Amino acid sequence: GDSVTQMEGPVTLSEEAFLTINCTYTATGYPSLFWYVQYPGEGLQLLLKATKADDKGSNKGFEATYRKETTSFHLEKGSVQVSDSAVYFCALSLRETSGSRLTFGEGTQLTVNP
Amino acid sequence: DTEVTQTPKHLVMGMTNKKSLKCEQHMGHRAMYWYKQKAKKPPELMFVYSYEKLSINESVPSRFSPECPNSSLLNLHLHALQPEDSALYLCASSRTGTGTVETQYFGPGTRLLVL
Repeated sequence: GDSVTQMEGPVTLSEEAFLTINCTYTATGYPSLFWYVQYPGEGLQLLLKATKADDKGSNKGFEATYRKETTSFHLEKGSVQVSDSAVYFCALSLRETSGSRLTFGEGTQLTVNP
Repeated sequence: DTEVTQTPKHLVMGMTNKKSLKCEQHMGHRAMYWYKQKAKKPPELMFVYSYEKLSINESVPSRFSPECPNSSLLNLHLHALQPEDSALYLCASSRTGTGTVETQYFGPGTRLLVL
């Protein structure tokens, strides 16, 4: 079946450090890929997405490139801030005739210290 | 505006109570979703409505009963819940939910505690 594997957390960084959160996927078709972020006590917010191979999604300094050859969608940010502390979920979605289904990774907890 | 609202924010209920969770969106979306999220876990899909019709039910126990009275509203009726049902319940919406990959927009969730 379809699945998403994220690097295990928690990840702890100092402010202004470089961030990479690895995400790889297994899918039977050609999925769209997403990164969602969940701040403490809140729901999920869409961070960025990519719908086809070699697309790069970007938002708020975060970037991820859809790599079909390595089935990956790693999240990167050049300089993290304390306010980036959250749980990050990688997810994929395949076209279905009935309902749009998201398959999530397990999530990666990021803590950024001042 | 990509806002999905959920009420209440917090809910405490006993195992014999009946309560309802409410979700609303005004983005013109025709697909709405209920998810359950346990601590430190990803959301698990429960139900999907597309054009006000139930299109996916992920074998959820009958003590959870969804309702979609119109295209903007989604309810989740709760009855005779168990303590293990305590979780964050998230609502989401997307454009149509049919035949295409769509971005889902999530609400802030209702944190439910069953005593």
